[in-house]
Amino acid sequence: AQSVTQPDIHITVSEGASLELRCNYSYGATPYLFWYVQSPGQGLQLLLKYFSGDTLVQGIKGFEAEFKRSQSSFNLRKPSVHWSDAAEYFCAVGAFNDYKLSFGAGTTVTVRA
Amino acid sequence: DSGVTQTPKHLITATGQRVTLRCSPRSGDLSVYWYQQSLDQGLQFLIQYYNGEERAKGNILERFSAQQFPDLHSELNLSSLELGDSALYFCASSVGISDRGDEQFFGPGTRLTVL
Repeated sequence: AQSVTQPDIHITVSEGASLELRCNYSYGATPYLFWYVQSPGQGLQLLLKYFSGDTLVQGIKGFEAEFKRSQSSFNLRKPSVHWSDAAEYFCAVGAFNDYKLSFGAGTTVTVRA
Repeated sequence: DSGVTQTPKHLITATGQRVTLRCSPRSGDLSVYWYQQSLDQGLQFLIQYYNGEERAKGNILERFSAQQFPDLHSELNLSSLELGDSALYFCASSVGISDRGDEQFFGPGTRLTVL
C-alpha cells in the first residue's frame, strides 16, 4: 500500500526567506504525486502535480517541486515566501489503477514578519 | 473556487443521530470522492463513485454510506453518530476515474460536530 510521510509537522519561516517542505512516499510503482495547500477554514487547493516526464514541476503561487525517484521524495520549494503562504500543506500520492489519494499528515507553515 | 460545492457548511448534531452531507461536482466531472479530515486520523479517503457506481472504498465505517445520483451529485449519509465522527468532510471530483492521475478538485468541506 502506498503511504506518504511529511517529517515536519510545523515550520516557521521569515517573510522573503526560502521554504522547503519535505515529502517521502512509499509505493512499488511510479506514483502520481501532488501537493495541496489548505488555508484556515478552506478546502484543499492543488499547487502542483507530477505524473511523468520532467522531474522538476512548476505550480501555482511560485511553488515548485522535484521528484527524486532514488530518494522516494517529492519536496516542495518556494524561493521567497509571502505572508499569504501561511497555511497547511499536504503531500499526496496516487497511482495507476488506485483511485484514492493517500495524504501525508501535513506541514503547517507559519510566516513571521 | 474549485467548482465543487458542499452543503451544509456546518452541521451540529447529537450522538445517535443521522445526517446527510451533499456534494455537487464540477461541471463535466464524473467521479466524486469523499474524504474525512480529523485531528487524530488526518485526511482519510472514504469512498469514490464514478458515473453513479461505487468504484473504490477506503476506511469507511459501516454506519456510513454514500450514493451518486443521475445528475452526478453525491450524498454521504452518516448514521448512529458518535463523538469521534466529528470531523471535516470533504468532497472532491475529477473528470475520470483517477487511475491515470486525474487531479481531484476539493470542495470547501462540511464541518460536522457531534455533541
